[in-house]
Amino acid sequence: KQEVTQIPAALSVPEGENLVLNCSFTDSAIYNLQWFRQDPGKGLTSLLLIQSSQREQTSGRLNASLDKSSGRSTLYIAASQPGDSATYLCAVLFTLGRLYFGRGTQLTVWP
Amino acid sequence: ETGVTQSPTHLIKTRGQQVTLRCSSQSGHNTVSWYQQALGQGPQFIFQYYREEENGRGNFPPRFSGLQFPNYSSELNVNALELDDSALYLCASSLGGTSTEAFFGQGTRLTVV
Repeated sequence: KQEVTQIPAALSVPEGENLVLNCSFTDSAIYNLQWFRQDPGKGLTSLLLIQSSQREQTSGRLNASLDKSSGRSTLYIAASQPGDSATYLCAVLFTLGRLYFGRGTQLTVWP
Repeated sequence: ETGVTQSPTHLIKTRGQQVTLRCSSQSGHNTVSWYQQALGQGPQFIFQYYREEENGRGNFPPRFSGLQFPNYSSELNVNALELDDSALYLCASSLGGTSTEAFFGQGTRLTVV
């Protein structure tokens, strides 16, 4: 069964901290992995897409890594800001046409 | 380049009624997928349309149906609404295939009373 798990479920940190969000998946035969941000009651904003052949992707203060053999991805956020407060979702493309999502990590960055 | 747009943004329906949700895909994208997100959960795949044909379906009953039009916009129809259908419904568009990024709309919040 293809599953995606995200740890921790919630995280609260002071502004300026560097932090790591974790995503694990059950099947190493993936096509790609995508990290999203979701603000309360809103849609999903794509942050980073990592193809199965890649090890990491970077965008600004965000860096995502992928280790297929261990079934893990991490999202690293540098110098966190209150505006980073949101739910972060990891999604894996195991099968063409459908993304499998974790339940997300709810991040709060306080001033 | 326009993004993915969904309508309406909010909707309240009575149990047993029918509802239609709409999605306009991002310019140039020929693939549309629909997801249901219950409160506190990750999105769950409902189905996908590619060039007007259903191209995969998740574990949802037949009362969930869809359409894709020649301009690649799409509709999600739900018949005989149940209280558990209350959720955020998300539409995603992409170019399809294994390497393309999925872009999501802002969602439609459906409340069934």
